[in-house]
Amino acid sequence: EAQVTQNPRYLITVTGKKLTVTCSQNMNHEYMSWYRQDPGLGLRQIYYSMNVEVTDKGDVPEGYKVSRKEKRNFPLILESPSPNQTSLYFCASSFRPNADTQYFGPGTRLTVL
Amino acid sequence: LAKTTQPISMDSYEGQEVNITCSHNNIATNDYITWYQQFPSQGPRFIIQGYKTKVTNEVASLFIPADRKSSTLSLPRVSLSDTAVYYCLVGDETYTGFQKLVFGTGTRLLVSP
Repeated sequence: EAQVTQNPRYLITVTGKKLTVTCSQNMNHEYMSWYRQDPGLGLRQIYYSMNVEVTDKGDVPEGYKVSRKEKRNFPLILESPSPNQTSLYFCASSFRPNADTQYFGPGTRLTVL
Repeated sequence: LAKTTQPISMDSYEGQEVNITCSHNNIATNDYITWYQQFPSQGPRFIIQGYKTKVTNEVASLFIPADRKSSTLSLPRVSLSDTAVYYCLVGDETYTGFQKLVFGTGTRLLVSP
């Protein structure tokens, strides 16, 4: 089954404790993205990757890091989480940026205390 | 920088046609405009995509004028299950030639009996 998986689905952590949210897709997609979703602000792109080892900043990259060492995986790293990073995070993938369907993961709800 | 604007909310009744418009400036010239539907606690789901003029599929129609500064999603004969948030998605070419994606602010559609 074609899918995008994210882990964990829920996470409560404390300020400053490094964390990683994993994202994996099994569709051989080249383009992958991370989004955060906050009430009243919709979905905002954090980082995206055009292919392995090719990443770039989206609209809200501050406080986040990503890596793309394998085509299927695109982890999101918060080196020192802060409360303003409390949000719902989605990973997505597609063959091309906006010329075909983006497939979204189930979401990760992160709370930083 | 691409910017998008959508109405915050819309109300309708079962069986009516609903039109949701997204205004978008400075979008990538060779890129599609895509619409997604999102239910609570789920990732967005693809509805329809177009480049110019009109596109129709089994669930919706998309109207895009020649200047591509807006797009209108048309949902014929809505039902209660169409109650959701609807987002437009456009591409924004960056200085690197890569492409980041910009979601609209989202329109919350409430369909009543």
